[in-house]
Amino acid sequence: TQLLEQSPQFLSIQEGENLTVYCNSSSVFSSLQWYRQEPGEGPVLLVTVVTGGEVKKLKRLTFQFGDARKDSSLHITAAQTGDTGLYLCAVHLFGNEKLTFGTGTRLTIIP
Amino acid sequence: DAGITQSPRHKVTETGTPVTLRCHQTENHRYMYWYRQDPGHGLRLIHYSYGVKDTDKGEVSDGYSVSRSKTEDFLLTLESATSSQTSVYFCAIGQYSGNTIYFGEGSWLTVV
Repeated sequence: TQLLEQSPQFLSIQEGENLTVYCNSSSVFSSLQWYRQEPGEGPVLLVTVVTGGEVKKLKRLTFQFGDARKDSSLHITAAQTGDTGLYLCAVHLFGNEKLTFGTGTRLTIIP
Repeated sequence: DAGITQSPRHKVTETGTPVTLRCHQTENHRYMYWYRQDPGHGLRLIHYSYGVKDTDKGEVSDGYSVSRSKTEDFLLTLESATSSQTSVYFCAIGQYSGNTIYFGEGSWLTVV
């Protein structure tokens, strides 16, 4: 059983559209991170959220951490081709040094 | 970019041979990690280290061993490579437990 479920697994949309991807679990997290990975490269951190209900914005990307600290969403406004990539969420459980990753959402923005 | 270097970046080896992947960091971070990435499984933790000579197992540690004799180097060894170990291997580093980690560029290993 996967600790973290990311949905959708694949998403392909036209440039200029908006989209939301999700990261869900039955466990409570101490912190949650979103990464983006491009082909042939390692994941790169986008944001870390630590407080339930927290919302962070990074230009056209909006990240939300659920009140119960079990879920998160990433919303992209007016998607651009440069947003194409694999989006991964990762969590630390309380008292656990290890970072656990979801399986990712593969996003393709069509010009 | 975090100062992380993985070597080799690409390797093809035969079943049953030993393989060692090296991760070198210049950031003096305490924590170092080895992950493997496979389609449908995402990134899975193999082993990690929380200091020199201090290591612990991750979720997919069978068939792998690690060593950390210096802060800057973390070695991953496949004692006898199998085809199921064909994967992309990522090293990552972190300064504190439960904090941001930074990834290397990956090592592509093919076991034939």
